[in-house]
Amino acid sequence: TQLLEQSPQFLSIQEGENLTVYCNSSSVFSSLQWYRQEPGEGPVLLVTVVTGGEVKKLKRLTFQFGDARKDSSLHITAAQPGDTGLYLCAGAPDGGSQGNLIFGKGTKLSVKP
Amino acid sequence: GAGVSQSPSNKVTEKGKDVELRCDPISGHTALYWYRQSLGQGLEFLIYFQGNSAPDKSGLPSDRFSAERTGGSVSTLTIQRTQQEDSAVYLCASSRDSFLAKNIQYFGAGTRLSVL
Repeated sequence: TQLLEQSPQFLSIQEGENLTVYCNSSSVFSSLQWYRQEPGEGPVLLVTVVTGGEVKKLKRLTFQFGDARKDSSLHITAAQPGDTGLYLCAGAPDGGSQGNLIFGKGTKLSVKP
Repeated sequence: GAGVSQSPSNKVTEKGKDVELRCDPISGHTALYWYRQSLGQGLEFLIYFQGNSAPDKSGLPSDRFSAERTGGSVSTLTIQRTQQEDSAVYLCASSRDSFLAKNIQYFGAGTRLSVL
């Protein structure tokens, strides 16, 4: 069974601080996605990374895919209260039918003003 | 439509009753997915449909769960003889083509099911 372990599970920080969320697995993924989910809403895609070692930036968010395509990280610089939410990583199993994604349990981020 | 639409948004039912949850995917999307999200948990894959292929039912937790997709568009997830442990948010997603490497899924807002 392929699993994606996310850490930390909960994170509460002050506005302006930096943070990093990790997504790890012993399995290889052909692609990995990061979603953000707010209460009462479905997850919304932030980014997809496909190539080992790939780094993508989205404003203050930096996403990295590990060289071996088994892990990923999300770094937020100068966090703002609007960044509050549940961050989920999801991987498409390598060699699989791409039919379903394996989701991590998420990191619940709270940014206090 | 503009996005994935799910109904109802909330459903309260009594233990033992059957429920039907509906998902209307984005027009033109060939792939449709159902997930379950329990409190504090990530998304648990239930089932997915890709075009006219046989659905992947590998995530359905028991034979009380079933889903169909009529005409390659709207999907219904049915839970028979509901149990309290079925209480969760049921999320539907669709994508243009599940066989593309990026497999970008667009999610609905979910149906929050409460079994009393």
